[in-house]
Formats: sequence, structure tokens, C-alpha cells
Amino acid sequence: AQTVTQSQPEMSVQEAETVTLSCTYDTSESDYYLFWYKQPPSRQMILVIRQEAYKQQNATENRFSVNFQKAAKSFSLKISDSQLGDAAMYFCASLEGYSGGGADGLTFGKGTHLIIQP
Amino acid sequence: KAGVTQTPRYLIKTRGQQVTLSCSPISGHRSVSWYQQTPGQGLQFLFEYFSETQRNKGNFPGRFSGRQFSNSRSEMNVSTLELGDSALYLCASSLGDRGSQPQHFGDGTRLSIL
Repeated sequence: AQTVTQSQPEMSVQEAETVTLSCTYDTSESDYYLFWYKQPPSRQMILVIRQEAYKQQNATENRFSVNFQKAAKSFSLKISDSQLGDAAMYFCASLEGYSGGGADGLTFGKGTHLIIQP
Repeated sequence: KAGVTQTPRYLIKTRGQQVTLSCSPISGHRSVSWYQQTPGQGLQFLFEYFSETQRNKGNFPGRFSGRQFSNSRSEMNVSTLELGDSALYLCASSLGDRGSQPQHFGDGTRLSIL
């Protein structure tokens, strides 16, 4: 079974600054994927960024990038030039690939509430 | 392209009743997954359907069931509702290749049990 841990229940950052959200995970599988999802008050889960475990290169999507440390089982999200619209709950999630049996769907962390201060 | 559509948005039921929630995936997506979100337990995987077959199942009692139709639309049913079933139920769809294509979520159905 997979576990995902987000140790920061809440983070606050000034608009235009950079913030890093932490995530650690545990899995016995070699084939898995990692995700960051954003959930604003409107409650729709929005995919922010995705990382394949077999890729060493860190994924980036515009102002969002990850620091994927496979040996340490760490998957942090960096948001650069923070904007008011970035305020939301951020969830880290993992998913086993088919070769790992893939029995559990996405496994989510408890989330980090990101506050953007104007 | 239209996103994942969940109906209804809100639902109020009483203990002992049953409820059916609906999810229409993004056009072309064959996999539909259901999740329960509560303040205490967070987000938990319920089950996944692919080509009308349940492919995976989370650790929930048999009162929670689902199905998928030939057009990939999915329904989730909860029987003998309990107070603890109050939650936001999220549906997600994907093309079907696990992980290689991400899951896209709907706005959810907020279920309240009185």
C-alpha cells in the first residue's frame, strides 16, 4: 500500500514570492506516478503537475515545478511568482502503474492550505 | 471539450435511505474513478471502472457500489445511508492507461445525511 504525507497543514506567502510545498511518499513499487492537485473553494480538483517515477528530470509547468528525490521518496512543489489565484488546498498524490497491480487508485496526502497575501 | 460532469451538485438524505450519484466523463475517456472526501479521512479511493468493468476497489463496505455504462457514464450507489457517509464525492475520468494519462476531476456531489 502507498502512503503520502504532507507535513505542512498551512503555508502563507506574499504575492510574487516563491513557496515550496513538501510531500513525502512511500511505495514498494518501481512503477508509479506522482501528482500535485489544486482544490480551490469551488472544490474542483485541478491537476497542477505530474511526474513519472522512471524519469529523473523534474517536471515543470510554467510557474510550477517539482523537486523529485526518488531515493528520499520526496516530491515537493515549488510555485514561483505566486499569484492570488494560486490560493487553494494543494494535494500531493501517488498512483501505482499497472505493473504494480494498481489496486488502490490515487492515494492522497492530507493537503496543504496555501494562503497568498497581497 | 466538456469536462467531467457530476450530478446532482448537492443532495440531502436521511439515514437508512439510498442514493445514486452520476458522473459523465470527458468524451473519449473510458476510465471513471470515484473518491470520497471528508474533513476527517481526507480523500479516499472508492472504485474504478473501465469499459463497464470494475477494475479496482478501495476499502469501503459493500453498501457502496457502482457501475459503468457503454457510453462510459458511471453511477455510484450508496445504500442504507449512515451519518458518516456525509461527504463530497468526486468523480475522475481518464483515457485509461494508468498514470500515463492523468485523471480529470468533476466538481463533485456534496451529500449530506440528516
